[in-house]
Order: sequence, then structure tokens, then C-alpha cells
Amino acid sequence: SQQGEEDPQALSIQEGENATMNCSYKTSINNLQWYRQNSGRGLVHLILIRSNEREKHSGRLRVTLDTSKKSSSLLITASRAADTASYFCATALGANFGNEKLTFGTGTRLTIIP
Amino acid sequence: EAQVTQNPRYLITVTGKKLTVTCSQNMNHEYMSWYRQDPGLGLRQIYYSMNVEVTDKGDVPEGYKVSRKEKRNFPLILESPSPNQTSLYFCASSPIYPYNEQFFGPGTRLTVL
Repeated sequence: SQQGEEDPQALSIQEGENATMNCSYKTSINNLQWYRQNSGRGLVHLILIRSNEREKHSGRLRVTLDTSKKSSSLLITASRAADTASYFCATALGANFGNEKLTFGTGTRLTIIP
Repeated sequence: EAQVTQNPRYLITVTGKKLTVTCSQNMNHEYMSWYRQDPGLGLRQIYYSMNVEVTDKGDVPEGYKVSRKEKRNFPLILESPSPNQTSLYFCASSPIYPYNEQFFGPGTRLTVL
């Protein structure tokens, strides 16, 4: 099964609203990353949060990490039509497990309605 | 421009006909990886390489081969493609430390008939 699982699988909101998507994982991690994918294109890195960090911001993006619950959330504020995409979380495991792999979840499909 | 390139972008082939998908990066990254993306399954890692001549299996390596003879190139080889290898393939690269983000290529859409 996947290390990271996003929730919800799909989300539709009006332009200007905030979008929140969640990611849960199973094992200890070194860091967690969020990526965006426009339809059929390559993934683009958005933000990386390390296991010793709790919150991180980048522009309209806010990511939180709760290692006790093994979960992360991505908040996109003041959404725009251009934010329509799929969003994936990816976990890099801790040193004890080998950190060579970045394991992706199945993604949240976000649609912004103009 | 820093980038990861893949070729071809689209390929339709027949069962059993050997093919190679090339991947090249110009960022001097040590780490390179191949993923396949299928509906409902997200991205799954096929193979990865920590440096020249160092490769290892990911989650779904069956039916694939890779090589890393040069730091910038990491080709994916399908010796005898089968229809279940029809998928969207991505190459990615990153520096190894400190476990930075990965840079993805534009993808190769492969159809095996």
C-alpha cells in the first residue's frame, strides 16, 4: 500500500476560497514534500518540510506537519484558476530505513471554479 | 536552463519490441530516478541511481532495466515490452543531500499494443 495517502481524492472550490488537502503516512520520515502536476505534465516541487519542522510557508502555500499523527496538510489561500491541478505528497524515509526513495501518494485533484 | 529532458515524449509500440527512453539532466545531480504513473495508483518508483554505476530497484522494477554510465544520463530500457507497461513515465533528478526536492522531466507516454 502507499506510504502517503491524500484526502480528499478530489476537491472543487470557488475561485478566491481556500483549499485544504491532507496527507497521512505510515512510517517515520526524514521529510515530506508536496508537488503539483498539471494535467499530463511533469511534477513541480512546491514545498519541503523536514521532520523537525511543524509549519512552513511559501507564498500562498502553508504546509503543516504533525509527526505524532503522521499527517500533513497543504493549504492554498485565495485560490486562482491556475491552481487547478493534482497535488501529491511524497515522503522521504528516515536514515534507518534508507532515504533513497521518495514515495508518492495517489494525489488530490483540485478544481478551481471561476 | 536547468532541466530534465526525456525522449521520446510519445511512443506507440508493439509487444516484444525493445525500446529505450532517454533521460538527461544538466544540473550535475547525483540522484536520478524513474517513475511510472497509472490512474488511481499515483507515481511508483521503477529504478533509481545514487551516482554513476550505482543503481537499485524501486517498487516496480520487473520488466525494466537501467544504466548509469554518465552522471547526466539515465536511460530506461524495456527489453520486451508488454501491454501492462502502457503508462506515463517520468524521469527525475536531485542532489542527494540534504534530501532535496526532485526535478521532473516532462514525461513519456508509452502505449504497448
